[in-house]
Amino acid sequence: DGGITQSPKYLFRKEGQNVTLSCEQNLNHDAMYWYRQDPGQGLRLIYYSQIVNDFQKGDIAEGYSVSREKKESFPLTVTSAQKNPTAFYLCASTGTSGLITDTQYFGPGTRLTVL
Amino acid sequence: AQTVTQSQPEMSVQEAETVTLSCTYDTSENNYYLFWYKQPPSRQMILVIRQEAYKQQNATENRFSVNFQKAAKSFSLKISDSQLGDTAMYFCAFMRRWGRDDKIIFGKGTRLHILP
Repeated sequence: DGGITQSPKYLFRKEGQNVTLSCEQNLNHDAMYWYRQDPGQGLRLIYYSQIVNDFQKGDIAEGYSVSREKKESFPLTVTSAQKNPTAFYLCASTGTSGLITDTQYFGPGTRLTVL
Repeated sequence: AQTVTQSQPEMSVQEAETVTLSCTYDTSENNYYLFWYKQPPSRQMILVIRQEAYKQQNATENRFSVNFQKAAKSFSLKISDSQLGDTAMYFCAFMRRWGRDDKIIFGKGTRLHILP
């Protein structure tokens, strides 16, 4: 089964701690993305990566960091510098062939709560 | 820069009725894709339908269809015979035909309630 997995589904963090959210895909997609979604709101782009070992900041990158050491994996670290990290985090991936099949597919999300 | 606008923050319709969700976008590109995503209470983002800009024929997926007006830069979603399971947040999205630093642009969403 091809798809995107995110873990954990729920994550609790104490203030001042860094936490890492996992995102793995087996769709052979080159591009991967992290979004943040607050209650009742739309998606805001945190970081994205088009190729291994390269990534770009999105609209709200402050307080977050990413790595892209493997094509299949794009973990997101929420650092203690992120002032209001409680939110729902979605990972997505996209093909890059220039065809309509280059649709963005999403993982099931991680709900992060700061205690 | 591309933008996507959904002018209806929230809508409610009775079960079995037809409902249309509006979406307009702004771009100077000629080759691009448009999408509608559904986000039910589970919060999983689900692709509903997609359209290639060079195709004049409107895309259809079962009860879901679009009205794509390229010149007007409009991309509305019609849901026929609406069902309770259609209750969700719907996002319209734009993506340029793949190039460097491309990313998908989402509208702010329309919350749709299907009433029994």
